[in-house]
Amino acid sequence: LAKTTQPISMDSYEGQEVNITCSHNNIATNDYITWYQQFPSQGPRFIIQGYKTKVTNEVASLFIPADRKSSTLSLPRVSLSDTAVYYCLVASYGGATNKLIFGTGTLLAVQP
Amino acid sequence: ETGVTQTPRHLVMGMTNKKSLKCEQHLGHNAMYWYKQSAKKPLELMFVYSLEERVENNSVPSRFSPECPNSSHLFLHLHTLQPEDSALYLCASSQDRAGGGVNEQYFGPGTRLTVT
Repeated sequence: LAKTTQPISMDSYEGQEVNITCSHNNIATNDYITWYQQFPSQGPRFIIQGYKTKVTNEVASLFIPADRKSSTLSLPRVSLSDTAVYYCLVASYGGATNKLIFGTGTLLAVQP
Repeated sequence: ETGVTQTPRHLVMGMTNKKSLKCEQHLGHNAMYWYKQSAKKPLELMFVYSLEERVENNSVPSRFSPECPNSSHLFLHLHTLQPEDSALYLCASSQDRAGGGVNEQYFGPGTRLTVT
């Protein structure tokens, strides 16, 4: 099973770019990397997903090196409302087994 | 609004009580999930249902009993819980769980459970 490791917390200021890295040394061939955002008293919300190289959408970018043993979520120009916990998920589907392993999450605190 | 609703939002129950958590998804998805989120711990996957059939049970104690009567509804029946079962219980759904790639999960707001 692919276990993930993330920094427990990060601090940033409004307008800065924030990069959160997740380590997943035992990632399997069929695994995808997904990032979720969670605010207090709410369920996690999907941000972005990738398999390799770089993926970009309207809210974030995801960088995955060739060995896929880590990934970096990049949030451009963060605002106060980006203060949340960010989870890296390495998940594989297939056969009769479904392993969805969330990391401990990174608490991002954005200050004015 | 994510299209996944959960009731109740808060629940306090004694160790001898029996209660049920309800989840409903309005997204036409085929897979539904129960997660447990304890303080300062990662989300833990408890159960997975695909097309109303349970496909995953991550060694959850029998005092938690899931039920999926149709693809839109998911229940978690609780009985003789322990104080350490106090947590946020999250329901999620996704289009499908099979095949290559991973389907985005949509989470409900959760039920905050306190066992006294």
